[in-house]
Amino acid sequence: GAVVSQHPSWVICKSGTSVKIECRSLDFQATTMFWYRQFPKQSLMLMATSNEGSKATYEQGVEKDKFLINHASLTLSTLTVTSAHPEDSSFYICSAPPGRISYEQYFGPGTRLTVT
Amino acid sequence: AQSVAQPEDQVNVAEGNPLTVKCTYSVSGNPYLFWYVQYPNRGLQFLLKYITGDNLVKGSYGFEAEFNKSQTSFHLKKPSALVSDSALYFCAVNPPGGYKLSFGAGTTVTVRA
Repeated sequence: GAVVSQHPSWVICKSGTSVKIECRSLDFQATTMFWYRQFPKQSLMLMATSNEGSKATYEQGVEKDKFLINHASLTLSTLTVTSAHPEDSSFYICSAPPGRISYEQYFGPGTRLTVT
Repeated sequence: AQSVAQPEDQVNVAEGNPLTVKCTYSVSGNPYLFWYVQYPNRGLQFLLKYITGDNLVKGSYGFEAEFNKSQTSFHLKKPSALVSDSALYFCAVNPPGGYKLSFGAGTTVTVRA
């Protein structure tokens, strides 16, 4: 089945620094990927839609200058958390539809970000 | 606008007993409905989906769900629960023809031995 990977699986950074999270589709091409954040024991909140070769589409309330998304190839999207603050600490998950007419999505294993 | 509701934060069952996780939806048009499961510190795993066709959908790990249009529900069921089914379960809906998922709040399932 389709596999989506994320790197790193966890990261600790200091306030004010930037962190880049990668999302890769390993065995299929993804023109669209999605980025979510999840707080402990809560649901997933869609942050943005990453579009290969064009600008990302951000959900209302998500700061596009803080959460930079780049979808440079058909298998890679990156989320960069700029000038991170402790309130950015969260579990970040990406997903991608495999492109078949099936509509389910495949999710990455997630990245745990802790900002100290 | 589309949304799903999972009315139960937690469901506790004994191993071997039937398991039901409830989900109701609100969507314009015909819904595309999904169930995903999440284990601690992991991403989501697809269980099953309803797009069209038979109202009873069978999925992974022995789970099934029944689409009920009149009650706008899509409850997840398993006839005999296992301890390994203990996890966080999410119901989700797509707009017809799209991929932008809206998730329910999630239901934590605990299956006791």
